[in-house]
Amino acid sequence: NAGVTQTPKFQVLKTGQSMTLQCAQDMNHEYMSWYRQDPGMGLRLIHYSVGAGITDQGEVPNGYNVSRSTTEDFPLRLLSAAPSQTSVYFCASSNTDVSEAFFGQGTRLTVV
Amino acid sequence: GESVGLHLPTLSVQEGDNSIINCAYSNSASDYFIWYKQESGKGPQFIIDIRSNMDKRQGQRVTVLLNKTVKHLSLQIAATQPGDSAVYFCAENQGGYQKVTFGIGTKLQVIP
Repeated sequence: NAGVTQTPKFQVLKTGQSMTLQCAQDMNHEYMSWYRQDPGMGLRLIHYSVGAGITDQGEVPNGYNVSRSTTEDFPLRLLSAAPSQTSVYFCASSNTDVSEAFFGQGTRLTVV
Repeated sequence: GESVGLHLPTLSVQEGDNSIINCAYSNSASDYFIWYKQESGKGPQFIIDIRSNMDKRQGQRVTVLLNKTVKHLSLQIAATQPGDSAVYFCAENQGGYQKVTFGIGTKLQVIP
């Protein structure tokens, strides 16, 4: 049972580059989300989705895009990377929006 | 020993002792609470949850206590083991993804 799978695990980008963080879940969860985790701060919601074709912004959406074409996949795109986007990114899925979330292993992103 | 607050303090306990990790949540409208465990380099992992109509819930070696009067949540770990070493953080949910707040966490160190 793979759960939530994120790729890549580590990434270094130059300022201005774009990239996509991949996230896939095999639990048939309708709800998926992306968070960033920074030192001294709790997880912050970037974008989330309540089902295929439906996405919405979270607390810190600027500089990121998402799409949800299938139930399984929820990629996060960085349009033009900035040093402020250096962080650890977590994808999560859940049965509902008021239930425990299942997290991936994270992607550690460094923007130089 | 016990730890208080949403900062990232460190709690050191002897193997075999009980651990108490505290969380002061912010919003009296929150009606669902979750404790997560995050090991170094990994994603958060669900431990236990509790809804606001309860004041105590027990799992395997863990107990969560909820005091709505003072907006306080605690996680008790019985017979702490080296594998319990991790960062523990609470999350409060006021209903929906947009209304989830994650704490910063407490680092638990188990001394063999």
